[in-house]
Amino acid sequence: DQQVKQNSPSLSVQEGRISILNCDYTNSMFDYFLWYKKYPAEGPTFLISISSIKDKNEDGRFTVFLNKSAKHLSLHIVPSQPGDSAVYFCAATERETIQGAQKLVFGQGTRLTINP
Amino acid sequence: GAVVSQHPSWVICKSGTSVKIECRSLDFQATTMFWYRQFPKQSLMLMATSNEGSKATYEQGVEKDKFLINHASLTLSTLTVTSAHPEDSSFYICSAPVYNSPLHFGNGTRLTVT
Repeated sequence: DQQVKQNSPSLSVQEGRISILNCDYTNSMFDYFLWYKKYPAEGPTFLISISSIKDKNEDGRFTVFLNKSAKHLSLHIVPSQPGDSAVYFCAATERETIQGAQKLVFGQGTRLTINP
Repeated sequence: GAVVSQHPSWVICKSGTSVKIECRSLDFQATTMFWYRQFPKQSLMLMATSNEGSKATYEQGVEKDKFLINHASLTLSTLTVTSAHPEDSSFYICSAPVYNSPLHFGNGTRLTVT
């Protein structure tokens, strides 16, 4: 039972354009969502997060949108840069504790390639 | 800089042997650490929650006798893959919650069982 799904295994975007990565979830108990970036043979690096009480969170070139009714979130990167090429994972958790989100459930990941 | 250190980064072992992977929190104490596993082109799957001073909590389908977890101190958790077999070959990653911050991950350990 895949509770967090990233249906696009890969995405190719021209440098300078917008990259949009999508993520769907099925568990209505999830109330905190995160995006991680991962290079091969490395651990994931936190990018940006959003609480279920918000519908948008922005940090520099990265913006995450949350549509609770559709159980859908997306990550927008603009403008896209070659260094953004990596695998992006969305993750969800039922409870954000004071020590940070715990017991993350990850999607399958989307490999983003930024073409010069 | 990295706040979670994982060692070794890669290991090759023979079938039937045991392998120990260490996960350390740097400059902070972690009463809880999480162990994930990632098979090629698949998602990171939570294996178990490591609790300092008490038994680990394993996710459904993860054999606790095969994947031994010891959280001996507030900065160190170890995962031992016992009697490893080729199907245990995977990428193992630990993580720890940092105060008021999302989970930080180690750089992972690539285990290859021949």
